[in-house]
Amino acid sequence: GAVVSQHPSRVICKSGTSVKIECRSLDFQATTMFWYRQFPKQSLMLMATSNEGSKATYEQGVEKDKFLINHASLTLSTLTVTSAHPEDSSFYICSARDRDRASYEQYFGPGTRLTVT
Amino acid sequence: QKEVEQNSGPLSVPEGAIASLNCTYSDRGSQSFFWYRQYSGKSPELIMSIYSNGDKEDGRFTAQLNKASQYVSLLIRDSQPSDSATYLCAFPGNTPLVFGKGTRLSVIA
Repeated sequence: GAVVSQHPSRVICKSGTSVKIECRSLDFQATTMFWYRQFPKQSLMLMATSNEGSKATYEQGVEKDKFLINHASLTLSTLTVTSAHPEDSSFYICSARDRDRASYEQYFGPGTRLTVT
Repeated sequence: QKEVEQNSGPLSVPEGAIASLNCTYSDRGSQSFFWYRQYSGKSPELIMSIYSNGDKEDGRFTAQLNKASQYVSLLIRDSQPSDSATYLCAFPGNTPLVFGKGTRLSVIA
């Protein structure tokens, strides 16, 4: 149980284009999902917290107009990187919390490796 | 601000030895703690949760929690090269978990 999927697993795009990453909880419902970014050999960096049906909460320094988050259902959150630039190249990982469990455990998706050329 | 401190390592142990990973946290009121394993190039995977003082064992893994000392540890018995990874400890923040920066473990065959 507690499986989270992400799509795509890997994407290459040209500078200036937009990329959408999907995160799905496959066997549980997630009121809250989290988006992280991780650069090589660095630690996880929380970008934003998304709650189903409401606006995402962004961490300080994360541009909300550049990283658009939509959490339209209890099993799907999307992150759109708009007008991507090479410095946005990174490993993007989503995480979800099971709505029906009282614990704070977060389950991670397999990640999406974005390369902007 | 809630924080988690971990030694970044690398921690090198020979195959078959016990690896001991440690973590201290700032929030005295925290009731739950988690250990995640992250292989290079992969996302984190939850391997242990612990909620009460003492030890919790799961196979070769033992999590130890000491709330009075605000200290949580992970012991890996009979370490295998496949255990080589970065281990992250975490506890609940306001909403997302607060993660440590991780300890890199290297098990030498």
